[in-house]
Amino acid sequence: GQNIDQPTEMTATEGAIVQINCTYQTSGFNGLFWYQQHAGEAPTFLSYNVLDGLEEKGRFSSFLSRSKGYSYLLLKELQMKDSASYLCAVRDDGNTGFQKLVFGTGTRLLVSP
Amino acid sequence: DTAVSQTPKYLVTQMGNDKSIKCEQNLGHDTMYWYKQDSKKFLKIMFSYNNKELIINETVPNRFSPKSPDKAHLNLHINSLELGDSAVYFCASSQDFNDGGLNIQYFGAGTRLSVL
Repeated sequence: GQNIDQPTEMTATEGAIVQINCTYQTSGFNGLFWYQQHAGEAPTFLSYNVLDGLEEKGRFSSFLSRSKGYSYLLLKELQMKDSASYLCAVRDDGNTGFQKLVFGTGTRLLVSP
Repeated sequence: DTAVSQTPKYLVTQMGNDKSIKCEQNLGHDTMYWYKQDSKKFLKIMFSYNNKELIINETVPNRFSPKSPDKAHLNLHINSLELGDSAVYFCASSQDFNDGGLNIQYFGAGTRLSVL
């Protein structure tokens, strides 16, 4: 089966650093995505990991350990506009050869002044 | 220009009715998707099409019928709507590279369906 776990909600203050964890158990693995979704809006792409290690992109970094089935998204210098849901998604193409994303339930991040 | 656009944005209807949601992408992508996001914000794949051919059908009731007239459009028709169909439906598209390249999915703004 497919199982992707994230904390439901996290809170942090402006300027702080927050780490959002994601653990997964999927039948296949072709990469892991993080998406950001503001309330009432579309998910937008943040980062992608397919090999173990850290990918850094400005204030956002994402880490992957395939052997542990674990990823995290690190947000630095938090801003109020970072208040959103963060969705972890595993790419599991199965036998189709085409992309299929399996999403976690998302982590709602609230940034306070 | 909006990359992935879906209409309508809001849809309120009675149980038993039939309704359609349209999706168009102007990114030149080969693959399009429909997702359902329930009240708990869980985003789940329903269908994907590559160059007008069905690739993924995730055990969705056959009341849901996707149609792809060309690779830039993927519409969703729902027959005999039920209360449990109330959700936000997202369309997405990606360019599928079979060489392991990064295939980012771009999402539309969503259609909020309320079945009364």
